[in-house]
Amino acid sequence: AQKITQTQPGMFVQEKEAVTLDCTYDTSDPSYGLFWYKQPSSGEMIFLIYQGSYDQQNATEGRYSLNFQKARKSANLVISASQLGDSAMYFCAMRVTGNQFYFGTGTSLTVIP
Amino acid sequence: DAGITQSPRYKITETGRQVTLMCHQTWSHSYMFWYRQDLGHGLRLIYYSAAADITDKGEVPDGYVVSRSKTENFPLTLESATRSQTSVYFCASSEPGRDSNTGELFFGEGSRLTVL
Repeated sequence: AQKITQTQPGMFVQEKEAVTLDCTYDTSDPSYGLFWYKQPSSGEMIFLIYQGSYDQQNATEGRYSLNFQKARKSANLVISASQLGDSAMYFCAMRVTGNQFYFGTGTSLTVIP
Repeated sequence: DAGITQSPRYKITETGRQVTLMCHQTWSHSYMFWYRQDLGHGLRLIYYSAAADITDKGEVPDGYVVSRSKTENFPLTLESATRSQTSVYFCASSEPGRDSNTGELFFGEGSRLTVL
């Protein structure tokens, strides 16, 4: 079965601090991709970062990094130096064979000034 | 402008009426998807298409119909709308394995549908 789990419905972080959003996945596919998307209150879905299952190093994109622990089947998003504009819903997603994407239920992040 | 566009952005309809949500992409991506977003459920796949004239069911296909006669268009039809179909609908496209891209999903702006 293919499944993505985000166990944190809501998170708070102080401005300028780092925050980790949790994501675990389950798949039997040997090759898969892991994605994080941001959805601000305006509603659009914004791609943040990607990690391939065979990538040896953790992905980084500016203030975003993906803490990929393959044995634990986790793909946590780390946002460093949080900004007020980071307040949004964050979705973890997994792509498996057949280009199928599965999404978690999301984590609502609030950055406190 | 290049991209993926959805119409209408907002729609109010009544139970039993037929509704069609349009989706158009200009990238010539082979894959297109329809998701619905509901609180507590994240995004759930309704239907997807790997190419023109090829469509398949996703996780929650009941009550929906799709077609893809052209690569760039992927309309979603609710043949007889029900209140449980009140949701935000996202169309998305992707092109896996092209060059060194990640093959990520590109989303439209979403269509908010209310069924009374």
